[in-house]
Amino acid sequence: DTGVSQDPRHKITKRGQNVTFRCDPISEHNRLYWYRQTLGQGPEFLTYFQNEAQLEKSRLLSDRFSAERPKGSFSTLEIQRTEQGDSAMYLCASSLIAGELFFGSGTQLSVL
Amino acid sequence: DQQVKQNSPSLSVQEGRISILNCDYTNSMFDYFLWYKKYPAEGPTFLISISSIKDKNEDGRFTVFLNKSAKHLSLHIVPSQPGDSAVYFCAASAQDSGYALNFGKGTSLLVTP
Repeated sequence: DTGVSQDPRHKITKRGQNVTFRCDPISEHNRLYWYRQTLGQGPEFLTYFQNEAQLEKSRLLSDRFSAERPKGSFSTLEIQRTEQGDSAMYLCASSLIAGELFFGSGTQLSVL
Repeated sequence: DQQVKQNSPSLSVQEGRISILNCDYTNSMFDYFLWYKKYPAEGPTFLISISSIKDKNEDGRFTVFLNKSAKHLSLHIVPSQPGDSAVYFCAASAQDSGYALNFGKGTSLLVTP
């Protein structure tokens, strides 16, 4: 299967700890997106990369959040000093053509 | 500010009948619209899309209609099947935002036998 892969699928952490998620996009896709989804809401845009360049960041992405995409391949999303409000499903998506995003299964984060 | 709105949180339809899911948007810069389907504990799966230069796009049982003047789009599923039961998200994007998607809150569709 050559779809978008996310790791881990689930993460439970204590408030104040740092967490890092990984996303491996579809190999030929040059665009990579991070979204966050909470219960009863649609996915909310966090940030977007074209190749290795981070081109756009949402206001939702506070300074505790950082995303990287070294060499334009896989991407990581780090949350420092986690808070209970960070509990959500973190979704990664990639695309080759504008608009049509392919999503991974997500990482479910629970902050206790 | 919610730029994409799905005002019906849920919809129940009998198998074989038509399902109509509605979506409204506020940003006139949106030029590409998509519908995604989502099952629990999975990421959204692309279903069908439409560019702002069209008013209809059809793919098998799924048809999306776009009314730009009303800033409204709808997804028609005919005939509905029990396997269509899922949460459906409407999404919109604009070229100047790298085509990052703005999602509605979703409509939970239940197709009953």
